[in-house]
Amino acid sequence: EVQLVESGGGLVQPGGSLRLSCSASGFTDFAGYGMHWVRQVPGKGPEYVSAITGDGGTTYYGDSVRGRFTISRDNSKKKVYLQMSSLRVEDTAVYFCAWGYSYAFDYWGQGTLVTVSS
Amino acid sequence: QSALTQPASVSGSPGQSIAISCTGTSSDIGAYNYVSWYQQHPGKAPRLMIFDVSRRPSGVSDRFSGSKSGNTASLTISGLQADDEADYYCSSFTTRRLYVYGGGTKVTVL
Repeated sequence: EVQLVESGGGLVQPGGSLRLSCSASGFTDFAGYGMHWVRQVPGKGPEYVSAITGDGGTTYYGDSVRGRFTISRDNSKKKVYLQMSSLRVEDTAVYFCAWGYSYAFDYWGQGTLVTVSS
Repeated sequence: QSALTQPASVSGSPGQSIAISCTGTSSDIGAYNYVSWYQQHPGKAPRLMIFDVSRRPSGVSDRFSGSKSGNTASLTISGLQADDEADYYCSSFTTRRLYVYGGGTKVTVL
């Protein structure tokens, strides 16, 4: 069974940085799969943040985070990271790590809360 | 503002059927058959209910079904039950190789 566990969330001031981690288990071939980050403000719809291919060679970013966030992965540790810089109040959300077989996400982590506030 | 448009709320009595619409554009819903639906209870992660427009993951009741016509997708819940009360979100893969989501529909079982 695939399990995803996020960590690294917390309170940060506007303009600050934070790195989120996602630890994956249950994969037979972790390096063979793309991984995703999705965020959600409580009470609002999810927002797609970023994705990375299995070999780490290609990345994708949503318009609101492109140029400020960087996704990466360490296949030897079965981890995915989201480096967030120049954080804004509107980046406040629960950040989920997610994965799926097709063009949908079958598995989600429990989420980690990022609060950007002075 | 969310990229996909859903009604804010839908309600029904136990045993009834309800439908939730999700309207997008030719760059997302209309471009591919990659529409998915998620159920979310308060404080929990989303749960995949439908993928590829109408396919159900293992373990999801056949009371849940999906369809698509043009730029609009729909989720139907038949035989409504109390534990179907939750928020439901649609999602679509897009021509920009990103995903977009709806703003969510709160389903209330009367």
